[in-house]
Amino acid sequence: QKEVEQNSGPLSVPEGAIASLNCTYSDRVSQSFFWYRQYSGKSPELIMSIYSNGDKEDGRFTAQLNKASQYVSLLIRDSQPSDSATYLCAVNRGSNYKLTFGKGTLLTVNP
Amino acid sequence: SAVISQKPSRDICQRGTSLTIQCQVDSQVTMMFWYRQQPGQSLTLIATANQGSEATYESGFVIDKFPISRPNLTFSTLTVSNMSPEDSSIYLCSVDPGTGELFFGEGSRLTVL
Repeated sequence: QKEVEQNSGPLSVPEGAIASLNCTYSDRVSQSFFWYRQYSGKSPELIMSIYSNGDKEDGRFTAQLNKASQYVSLLIRDSQPSDSATYLCAVNRGSNYKLTFGKGTLLTVNP
Repeated sequence: SAVISQKPSRDICQRGTSLTIQCQVDSQVTMMFWYRQQPGQSLTLIATANQGSEATYESGFVIDKFPISRPNLTFSTLTVSNMSPEDSSIYLCSVDPGTGELFFGEGSRLTVL
């Protein structure tokens, strides 16, 4: 079983819709969870971090964490074409700052 | 966050040669990390660079192939030695500025012919 799994996509949504990106992880002791956005040819950019169960909102982005189900998601409301990118889920399994990344989900927002 | 500068941003190298990538941070950080992103793949941690001690390498990566220096709290280098086409990747420097979050440099895109 892969440590951090994401659907590779592509996920295609119309402009203005809600994009839902999902991630599961295998290590139950994981403590910190992150979502990165990576535009083609660019480096990853941190957009959300979440550490406890529940929802965390930041503008159009909402991260959701369910440790019992080992599941973390990212919702993007009012999706814009500029949101088109690969979204990487990353998990920190301990306090050593080492992140394990999923393969990413390619999101395309169609005007 | 932190401002992280990497050089070179890209390079084309010949098989068998070595290339050193530099990473400069605008603030002092305890740990710096080097990641690799092969074409179409996600990020894989190569090593953790600690100031004043040897780098800690992940499984599958060795010091002879990827020597790392960390002379101070704002600078690190990664060398890719005796390169082969399989080393063609984006190499990324990253830091945690003390927030528990990891930030990345712009990356160094390496093509080995």
